[in-house]
Amino acid sequence: GQQVMQIPQYQHVQEGEDFTTYCNSSTTLSNIQWYKQRPGGHPVFLIQLVKSGEVKKQKRLTFQFGEAKKNSSLHITATQTTDVGTYFCAGHNAGGTSYGKLTFGQGTILTVHP
Amino acid sequence: NAGVTQTPKFQVLKTGQSMTLQCAQDMNHEYMSWYRQDPGMGLRLIHYSVGAGITDQGEVPNGYNVSRSTTEDFPLRLLSAAPSQTSVYFCASSYLGRNYGYTFGSGTRLTVV
Repeated sequence: GQQVMQIPQYQHVQEGEDFTTYCNSSTTLSNIQWYKQRPGGHPVFLIQLVKSGEVKKQKRLTFQFGEAKKNSSLHITATQTTDVGTYFCAGHNAGGTSYGKLTFGQGTILTVHP
Repeated sequence: NAGVTQTPKFQVLKTGQSMTLQCAQDMNHEYMSWYRQDPGMGLRLIHYSVGAGITDQGEVPNGYNVSRSTTEDFPLRLLSAAPSQTSVYFCASSYLGRNYGYTFGSGTRLTVV
């Protein structure tokens, strides 16, 4: 079945440093979604990318979808303590049913030292 | 709008006991799903539903049952709890289709002893 792998599993940074997490799928995706989960909280939808090579920005966050639609990345510029949490990517398999089943990566746990 | 409401927030069960985790949404979402979250494993899909009366299995369905009698409610039943079912359970919903993000409930932390 479809597998979505995310690296690294953990990332510790000093406040102000940049951070990147990578997501790789074993199959071609129709879209990629990113979620953030604060410690003790629930995942919250951040953004969706659909087009090959698409890049989207949300303030200090930059999301990229690979040309082959099998990988994605999330880059945070100049991290802040409010960025602490687990970042998940999730994707729908290309083809199949119209709704699909969203498969999540294992997540990257980000800690930011002030 | 309350969004997705899960109850209870915490539960301790003894091995062999059964219970139902409740999930309700007030956004008229057709799609509802249950995930479990374990350290290092991400979110794994247990069961999902695309509308009232329609359910299907996800990645890890064994030991769990679901039903969808209304659009709003999607309860998850543990038939005979096992320590391996100790986890955090999240209910999520969305409009039907691939272009919608999921709205998650606040989760149920379940411990089976």
